[in-house]
Amino acid sequence: GAVVSQHPSWVICKSGTSVKIECRSLDFQATTMFWYRQFPKQSLMLMATSNEGSKATYEQGVEKDKFLINHASLTLSTLTVTSAHPEDSSFYICSARGASDGTDTQYFGPGTRLTVL
Amino acid sequence: GDSVTQMEGPVTLSEEAFLTINCTYTATGYPSLFWYVQYPGEGLQLLLKATKADDKGSNKGFEATYRKETTSFHLEKGSVQVSDSAVYFCALRGSGGFKTIFGAGTRLFVKA
Repeated sequence: GAVVSQHPSWVICKSGTSVKIECRSLDFQATTMFWYRQFPKQSLMLMATSNEGSKATYEQGVEKDKFLINHASLTLSTLTVTSAHPEDSSFYICSARGASDGTDTQYFGPGTRLTVL
Repeated sequence: GDSVTQMEGPVTLSEEAFLTINCTYTATGYPSLFWYVQYPGEGLQLLLKATKADDKGSNKGFEATYRKETTSFHLEKGSVQVSDSAVYFCALRGSGGFKTIFGAGTRLFVKA
């Protein structure tokens, strides 16, 4: 099946710094990518949806200036957490969907655990 | 808006026991329904799906039937294994929709 990778798998940073997380679709072209946030023992909360080459659509309550999303190519999307604070510590998961795989299945990355000290 | 409700966990079973994880949904129109599984330390994987009423999705011994009359999509397996220990998420995507909405997840522990 299709594979989605994320890098890094975990990151620890100091409060006030910015962190970039990469999401790649390895063997298909992802026309749409989704970024989710998962708190411990809770479900995934959709943060934003991005289509290649256009601005991301953010869910209500998600600060777009804090969580910068770039979907520069059909295989790469990045999430940058700017001026991170301890409350941003979470598990961030990306998902990709591409018409080229013949279905509308969403494929999920393994997630990135962010800890802000 | 659309929503998914699934039974709270954790669910603890002995190996070879029968599993049911309840899931109900609220949506307009005819959503597609999914079950995802998240093994420890891994990302979500699609387990099975159903796209219309009365469809049965199945995979790896798991089954779920799309019941429009009860707005349910309960996950079942006749005989669970230790390797089935994971978190299971019920999800829907609305008809004509773009976003997948997830339930809270149910953690399953299977004891040998």
